Amino acid sequence: NAGVTQTPKFQVLKTGQSMTLQCAQDMNHNSMYWYRQDPGMGLRLIYYSASEGTTDKGEVPNGYNVSRLNKREFSLRLESAAPSQTSVYFCASSVNWDTGELFFGEGSRLTVL
Amino acid sequence: GENVEQHPSTLSVQEGDSAVIKCTYSDSASNYFPWYKQELGKRPQLIIDIRSNVGEKKDQRIAVTLNKTAKHFSLHITETQPEDSAVYFCAATRGSQGNLIFGKGTKLSVKP
Repeated sequence: NAGVTQTPKFQVLKTGQSMTLQCAQDMNHNSMYWYRQDPGMGLRLIYYSASEGTTDKGEVPNGYNVSRLNKREFSLRLESAAPSQTSVYFCASSVNWDTGELFFGEGSRLTVL
Repeated sequence: GENVEQHPSTLSVQEGDSAVIKCTYSDSASNYFPWYKQELGKRPQLIIDIRSNVGEKKDQRIAVTLNKTAKHFSLHITETQPEDSAVYFCAATRGSQGNLIFGKGTKLSVKP
């Protein structure tokens, strides 16, 4: 039982490049989330998927897109990376979107030069 | 918009002392208040949570109190140990069924 797995763990991009962060959970959770964590800023929600087939914007969605591929997988795409997107990205899941504990992945550290 | 303020941003205590972290929230409809602990280089993990129909909850050395009238809640850690050193985040729901809004975190250092 791996919980929430995200890849890659580290990535360096040049400004304007694109990339996709992958996330998968094996807990049969309905809801999945992407957060970014910046020093002194806490965790800010980028996008979430309350259930398979739905996605919604969070607090800081600009510059990102997401895909809920199936119940297990939720990917985050940066179409044209900018230095302001340098951050640590966490995927998380929960049983449902309005109840209880978030289970986080290990994080992906992204640097945009 | 809705926000969660967390204080202090850093806290240093001696081993065995108590530590208190306070959060205030702006949305009176918020009804769920979790606390997450994040050790250096690790993922955030839930340590305790409280719902709006409860005023206090304890789990061994950790307790959370909620004052809905004043819109603030606090984390209390007693008999602190070096392994309590971490960053702690409070959070509150956006409305009664919304996503979580996180505070900016408190870095707790417990000195042996």
